[in-house]
Amino acid sequence: AQKVTQAQTEISVVEKEDVTLDCVYETRDTTYYLFWYKQPPSGELVFLIRRNSFDEQNEISGRYSWNFQKSTSSFNFTITASQVVDSAVYFCALRFGGFKTIFGAGTRLFVKA
Amino acid sequence: DTGVSQNPRHKITKRGQNVTFRCDPISEHNRLYWYRQTLGQGPEFLTYFQNEAQLEKSRLLSDRFSAERPKGSFSTLEIQRTEQGDSAMYLCASSLTSGLSTNEKLFFGSGTQLSVL
Repeated sequence: AQKVTQAQTEISVVEKEDVTLDCVYETRDTTYYLFWYKQPPSGELVFLIRRNSFDEQNEISGRYSWNFQKSTSSFNFTITASQVVDSAVYFCALRFGGFKTIFGAGTRLFVKA
Repeated sequence: DTGVSQNPRHKITKRGQNVTFRCDPISEHNRLYWYRQTLGQGPEFLTYFQNEAQLEKSRLLSDRFSAERPKGSFSTLEIQRTEQGDSAMYLCASSLTSGLSTNEKLFFGSGTQLSVL
């Protein structure tokens, strides 16, 4: 089965704390792509990052970093020194086979000032 | 780049009525997707167009749902004989890709929130 699990439904942190959003995926395919999207209150999902299944190199972009581990089928997302503007719903997504992308249920992040 | 535009933003209708939503993708994007999102869930794939051709449809898309992209630009999603279970946010996304590439990032619109009374 192809599946994305985001076990954390909601996370609440205080500004400047670090926070990690977990993502576990299942797929039978050997070639696949993983994504993270952010959905702010306005509703429009915004692309954050893409990784392919052959590239396990971790990535850092400003305060954002991603840890991809094929051995545990995980693609976790860390925000360092969180800010109020980071408050949103974050979705992990998996693209496999054809052109369909499946999304996890999302993690709602609240960052309090 | 004006982004993906969806109209209307909100639609309230009575059960049994037909509704139509429109999506205008980013102008040069050749792929267009429709997703449905219910409260507390991630987007669920409905259908996908490569230019004007509808290449894939989800089993979620019953016979009451039809989507078109007549000239490979804007797309419409029609729901006939709406049911309360159709209430959801309908999201459109577009992307620019070449050949059979499947790793492109999606650009989403703000969605159309449908409420069926």
